[in-house]
Amino acid sequence: AQKVTQAQTEISVVEKEDVTLDCVYETRDTTYYLFWYKQPPSGELVFLIRRNSFDEQNEISGRYSWNFQKSTSSFNFTITASQVVDSAVYFCALISVDSNYQLIWGAGTKLIIKP
Amino acid sequence: DAGVTQSPTHLIKTRGQQVTLRCSPKSGHDTVSWYQQALGQGPQFIFQYYEEEERQRGNFPDRFSGHQFPNYSSELNVNALLLGDSALYLCASSFDRLRSTDTQYFGPGTRLTVL
Repeated sequence: AQKVTQAQTEISVVEKEDVTLDCVYETRDTTYYLFWYKQPPSGELVFLIRRNSFDEQNEISGRYSWNFQKSTSSFNFTITASQVVDSAVYFCALISVDSNYQLIWGAGTKLIIKP
Repeated sequence: DAGVTQSPTHLIKTRGQQVTLRCSPKSGHDTVSWYQQALGQGPQFIFQYYEEEERQRGNFPDRFSGHQFPNYSSELNVNALLLGDSALYLCASSFDRLRSTDTQYFGPGTRLTVL
């Protein structure tokens, strides 16, 4: 069965701190795709990154970085030098043949950045 | 390049009424998926349309129906509204190359309140 677990319901940090959001997934497929989306209070889900199961290279985009480890079935997301504008709910998701090409979502992590 | 658009932004209905929500996909996309997101929860997959047909459906009753037009835009209809249908309804578009594992891009959502 497909499953995505985001164990951190809510994280609160002070601005400029680094913060890591955890994502652990389960799938029987060897080919799958992982995603992170950001949902600010406005409600729109904003695509951040897509990673396929054959590419284990970490990725960095500005203050954002992602660490993909197949050995631990994890796809963690780190924000460096957090800013108030990073406050949002962040969702990790998985799609594969075994999920019948439906996005399987984690429960989301609410990130609060305090000034 | 216009992103995914949805209308209306907000809607208030009473129990038993019917509602139609609209979505225009991102330019170049041919697949539209609909999601329901209750407050504080992750998105729940309603159904997906491709080539004007419902290709997949989540665990939603027949009161939820949809349509895709030749220009790829889509409508979500909900009949006999219940209080529990109050939620944010999100539309996502993607490009189906080979059985879509492509990134889904989301619209701003329609917030439906049922009184």
